[in-house]
Amino acid sequence: GAVVSQHPSWVICKSGTSVKIECRSLDFQATTMFWYRQFPKQSLMLMATSNEGSKATYEQGVEKDKFLINHASLTLSTLTVTSAHPEDSSFYICSADDPSGGGFETQYFGPGTRLLVL
Amino acid sequence: GESVGLHLPTLSVQEGDNSIINCAYSNSASDYFIWYKQESGKGPQFIIDIRSNMDKRQGQRVTVLLNKTVKHLSLQIAATQPGDSAVYFCAENAGNMLTFGGGTRLMVKP
Repeated sequence: GAVVSQHPSWVICKSGTSVKIECRSLDFQATTMFWYRQFPKQSLMLMATSNEGSKATYEQGVEKDKFLINHASLTLSTLTVTSAHPEDSSFYICSADDPSGGGFETQYFGPGTRLLVL
Repeated sequence: GESVGLHLPTLSVQEGDNSIINCAYSNSASDYFIWYKQESGKGPQFIIDIRSNMDKRQGQRVTVLLNKTVKHLSLQIAATQPGDSAVYFCAENAGNMLTFGGGTRLMVKP
């Protein structure tokens, strides 16, 4: 089946550091990727929709200057948490939409990246 | 609507018993629903889906029931196994966006 990878899987950084998280679709081309954030014991919350070659669409309340998204190719989207602070500590999960399928059964999730900001 | 951050309710079942996990969705325009399983520290894993023109769909050991009248979705797991222990999320699709429910933690006792 389709595979989505994320890198790194775990990040610990000092407050003020910018952290880049990569999301890759390994065996399919994804025109659309999604970024979610999940706090402990909570559900996934959509942060933004990333479309290849265009600007990302951010959900209400998500700061676009804080969470920079770049979808430069059909297999790679990156999320950069700029000047990270402890409150940004969370589990960040991406998903990729396989356009060769139909509907959301073809949205594949990455394994997640755990960010801890000290 | 947006998923709400809630502390996860827990369902504890005996190994071999059937499990029923419930989910209430918010948008009557949602036309597609999915159940995901998430193990600790991992991303969500697709389990089963159902479209709004159906009220029941069966997979291997899992069944999803949809009641559009009361906007309720349930996931039934037959003969629950220790490997089923995880957090289960329902998700609804209205338009082109997935909205996740709050999740339920399933704990299987040996």
